[in-house]
Amino acid sequence: QKEVEQNSGPLSVPEGAIASLNCTYSDRGSQSFFWYRQYSGKSPELIMSIYSNGDKEDGRFTAQLNKASQYVSLLIRDSQPSDSATYLCAVNTGGFKTIFGAGTRLFVKA
Amino acid sequence: DAGVIQSPRHEVTEMGQEVTLRCKPISGHDYLFWYRQTMMRGLELLIYFNNNVPIDDSGMPEDRFSAKMPNASFSTLKIQPSEPRDSAVYFCASSSRGRATNEKLFFGSGTQLSVL
Repeated sequence: QKEVEQNSGPLSVPEGAIASLNCTYSDRGSQSFFWYRQYSGKSPELIMSIYSNGDKEDGRFTAQLNKASQYVSLLIRDSQPSDSATYLCAVNTGGFKTIFGAGTRLFVKA
Repeated sequence: DAGVIQSPRHEVTEMGQEVTLRCKPISGHDYLFWYRQTMMRGLELLIYFNNNVPIDDSGMPEDRFSAKMPNASFSTLKIQPSEPRDSAVYFCASSSRGRATNEKLFFGSGTQLSVL
């Protein structure tokens, strides 16, 4: 079992819709969780971090964490074509060791 | 701040040759990471350093790979001898535990390695 699992997609949503991205992790002791966005040919950039159970909102983005279920999600409201990218879930498994999922490709259709 | 600087941006080499990738982290960051990204395997952690000391190298694929961090502002990842299956994008990232950084990884632009 991979340490961080994501549906590779692609996930296609129409412009203005909500995009929902999901991630599960295997290390129950993990404390820090992140979502990175990666445009084609570019390096990953952090868009959200979450450390405690519940929801965290930042603009159009909402991260959700459920440690009991070992589940992290990212919601993108009012999706825009510029949101089309690969979204990487990352987990700090301890000692600053950050493991990434394979990523979910998102396409937002205009 | 110039960000994390990697060189070269592109490297094309022949199988069996030695390849050296270079990274300059952001000044003041005490963690440095080397990742490899391929379509098949995604973004894999190879090794990471804290205060120039390797902490976890369990992701280094085999003895052909080695990484060093001789000082706080420079790290190298060396592949010797290189093989076609080493072809990938290699990213360097840096971070720190400070409140401003909060474990965020800052990535360099990556090195696209092609081994023929």
